[in-house]
Amino acid sequence: IAGITQAPTSQILAAGRRMTLRCTQDMRHNAMYWYRQDLGLGLRLIHYSNTAGTTGKGEVPDGYSVSRANTDDFPLTLASAVPSQTSVYFCASSDSVIGELFFGEGSRLTVL
Amino acid sequence: SQQGEEDPQALSIQEGENATMNCSYKTSINNLQWYRQNSGRGLVHLILIRSNEREKHSGRLRVTLDTSKKSSSLLITASRAADTASYFCVSTGGFKTIFGAGTRLFVKA
Repeated sequence: IAGITQAPTSQILAAGRRMTLRCTQDMRHNAMYWYRQDLGLGLRLIHYSNTAGTTGKGEVPDGYSVSRANTDDFPLTLASAVPSQTSVYFCASSDSVIGELFFGEGSRLTVL
Repeated sequence: SQQGEEDPQALSIQEGENATMNCSYKTSINNLQWYRQNSGRGLVHLILIRSNEREKHSGRLRVTLDTSKKSSSLLITASRAADTASYFCVSTGGFKTIFGAGTRLFVKA
């Protein structure tokens, strides 16, 4: 049972480059989320999707975009990376918007 | 910030002692959840308490919820070195899920 798979696990990126973080779940959950985790700030929601075909903005959406073409995949794109986007990114899913969250192992992104 | 607050930020105890972590939140909730994160890993769900519940147990974990004070506490009894991790409370209400900044627990063997 894979649960949530994120890729890449780690990436160093030059500022200005485009980057897509991949997230795939095999639990058929309706809701999916992208969070960033920065030291001392806990997790902050970037974007979410309550069901395939719909997305919404979270607390810190600027500089990021997402798509939800199907139930399983929820990629996060940085169109033009900036150093302040250096963070650990976590994808999560849940079968309802108020239920238990299942997390991937994270993608550590460094923007130089 | 929409974030909840957790107290203490860090806690160091001896193996066998109890660990208590507190969490406050700002809005009305459907439920409150606690998660654990080992260093560098994803978060793992520990326990969920609904807004109409006051206390819940799961193994060595005990969670309380006081909606009048908008606060919750997580008690880990008879702690073990393997309990060393960060613990986060997550309040869920109005289709929003809000994380606290976490408590870092270190259990000394």
